[in-house]
Amino acid sequence: DIVMTQSPLSLPVTLGQPASISCRSSQSLVHSDGNTYLNWFQQRPGQSPRRLIYKVSNRDSGVPDRFSGSGSGTDFTLKISRVEAEDVGVYYCMQGTHWPLTFGGGTKVEIK
Amino acid sequence: EVQLVESGGGLVQPGGSLRLSCAASGFTFSSYWMSWVRQAPGKGLEWVANIKQDGSEKYYVDSVKGRFTISRDNAKNSLYLQMNNLRAEDTAVYYCARGRASYWGQGTLVTVSS
Repeated sequence: DIVMTQSPLSLPVTLGQPASISCRSSQSLVHSDGNTYLNWFQQRPGQSPRRLIYKVSNRDSGVPDRFSGSGSGTDFTLKISRVEAEDVGVYYCMQGTHWPLTFGGGTKVEIK
Repeated sequence: EVQLVESGGGLVQPGGSLRLSCAASGFTFSSYWMSWVRQAPGKGLEWVANIKQDGSEKYYVDSVKGRFTISRDNAKNSLYLQMNNLRAEDTAVYYCARGRASYWGQGTLVTVSS
């Protein structure tokens, strides 16, 4: 199975400041169809996960443009340009290239 | 609007069975792979199983193979998870998700305890 490793585990951020989360996969996530199925999810306290980013860098509908995804191969990053109070929660990366789908362990974003 | 509504969770004794359901609406259900993903209390996310559009292919995480069965009824826009021989470590919120987890339901809690 593909292992997804996220860092950091916890990310205290000052409101209005940027934040960055790293996700590394144990194998390349480039699918045979040429796509890289790396998604990012946000899970606010008490809520279901919500997809923010799909195929590395595509924002889902309604996702603020302060969220951006980048990366390739095995190294990926989620960036929040200016953290707002509503961004508090746990962020997960997930690979959808290889079965079984696997998730990173999560990064908890909190306000300092 | 895409909606996924899970039901069927509850308290069950070890060794018992439960059947989870997921009612889908707002999209062409028969056109998508569907998945079950779970989250143990205070823990991360774990994909459990998924099923192809026509039900011809099914995949499971190793820990549930032989105990859980995923199925679907495209005429009813519904996804199911039959869970047998439940263990304490199966305790989790179970989410229904579309495709590569593009949309999620609100989840249903399964508690396995004596």
